[in-house]
Amino acid sequence: EVRLVQSGPEMRKPGESLRISCQGSGYSFSDYWIGWVRQKPGQGLEWMGLIYPSDSNSKYSPSFQGQVTMSADKSIFSVYLQWDSLKTSDTAIYFCAKPAGPTDGYYYGMDVWGQGTTVIVSS
Amino acid sequence: DIVMTQSPESLAVSLGERATINCKSSQSVLYSGSNKNYIAWYQQKPGQPPKLLIYWASTRESGVPDRFSGSGSGTDFTLTINNLQAEDVAVYYCQQYYSSSWLFGQGTKVEIK
Repeated sequence: EVRLVQSGPEMRKPGESLRISCQGSGYSFSDYWIGWVRQKPGQGLEWMGLIYPSDSNSKYSPSFQGQVTMSADKSIFSVYLQWDSLKTSDTAIYFCAKPAGPTDGYYYGMDVWGQGTTVIVSS
Repeated sequence: DIVMTQSPESLAVSLGERATINCKSSQSVLYSGSNKNYIAWYQQKPGQPPKLLIYWASTRESGVPDRFSGSGSGTDFTLTINNLQAEDVAVYYCQQYYSSSWLFGQGTKVEIK
């Protein structure tokens, strides 16, 4: 079974740093992109970017470029999302997800999702 | 970036009736090389991650009931839920995966009337 398991809920103060994780199993982890999606309380889904665990090649949404850092450690089948200085506006649930495919070289949406990591930033 | 605009924001439908959700992209997501529309639809229930329902605009994911269907091409797309069931109450999102940023629509909340 293909699974993505995320780290547990976090509470931090503004200005603090944080790294959350997403660990894959049941497939060749290094060979598939992983995406990150933000969902603020009561709001919709926001695309943050993609990372390729094999070489840590990353593609950021312009809205999140410079705000977060995606990284990977393929030796332990994990990808990470990191903040150097959190803001209260970073309060959200963060999902990792695996693109479906590729089939004939094409990816087509996100078919496997982690359970989400709740991040609360409050003074 | 290709921006996705969904309508309506919410709708209430009687059990057994049809729900129709629209999604418009700011530019075409039809890739001529494959003749495929790079659109996916998701269902999200409270407290759960999203679930992939439809990809390539009209292909149902394995295990998704056939009352869910997707249609459209170019810039205009529709998710239709026929014979609405109580378990279909959720928020539905479209997503384009044509450009490097796979942006989502803002979501449509489906409720029972």
